[in-house]
Amino acid sequence: DTEVTQTPKHLVMGMTNKKSLKCEQHMGHRAMYWYKQKAKKPPELMFVYSYEKLSINESVPSRFSPECPNSSLLNLHLHALQPEDSALYLCASTLDGTGRAYEQYFGPGTRLTVT
Amino acid sequence: AQSVTQPDIHITVSEGASLELRCNYSYGATPYLFWYVQSPGQGLQLLLKYFSGDTLVQGIKGFEAEFKRSQSSFNLRKPSVHWSDAAEYFCAVGVNQGGKLIFGQGTELSVKP
Repeated sequence: DTEVTQTPKHLVMGMTNKKSLKCEQHMGHRAMYWYKQKAKKPPELMFVYSYEKLSINESVPSRFSPECPNSSLLNLHLHALQPEDSALYLCASTLDGTGRAYEQYFGPGTRLTVT
Repeated sequence: AQSVTQPDIHITVSEGASLELRCNYSYGATPYLFWYVQSPGQGLQLLLKYFSGDTLVQGIKGFEAEFKRSQSSFNLRKPSVHWSDAAEYFCAVGVNQGGKLIFGQGTELSVKP
């Protein structure tokens, strides 16, 4: 199984809502990533979890809150978002988050629209 | 600083024609290089990767890429393009910090019938 799954596929939320994005992988990978991608742009790294610990936070606003309950699951909790946060949110995983030699496997993404 | 440059924002080729997408990188150590493809509204799929060894690497869907250290390049090629190859292509270099990827800005490929 080389699949990363993400739910939901699409999400529309108001600026006062609280919602969560979910990502799951069963490849035994120990590093998981959240990316934000705007149209016609490359993915921008938001967070990295390595061995279930947050290892990188790319200065992301606190209205985005990641959580890694176990090695297979990664959540992104959203609260009080702004319209400019509308984007495709991608999850990825890789074998080991301590090096640079491993390819990342990406999920299909969640298309988020903030109204 | 590490960086990846894809000089071509948009390329159009005819179906059946050959393709070359350019990628130049800047990285102090031995680069670990990747090409990803993204169809509209989808996630990224790994096409191929270079870590070491043979500088010509084969990937999925008939793609190949050649690593040229002297030119700091990792260009992607395909001998005969299919309409289904129309997508966004990203070149990336792996860096030490947490297994991060540094992406190029992407090249959008359109295929004419």
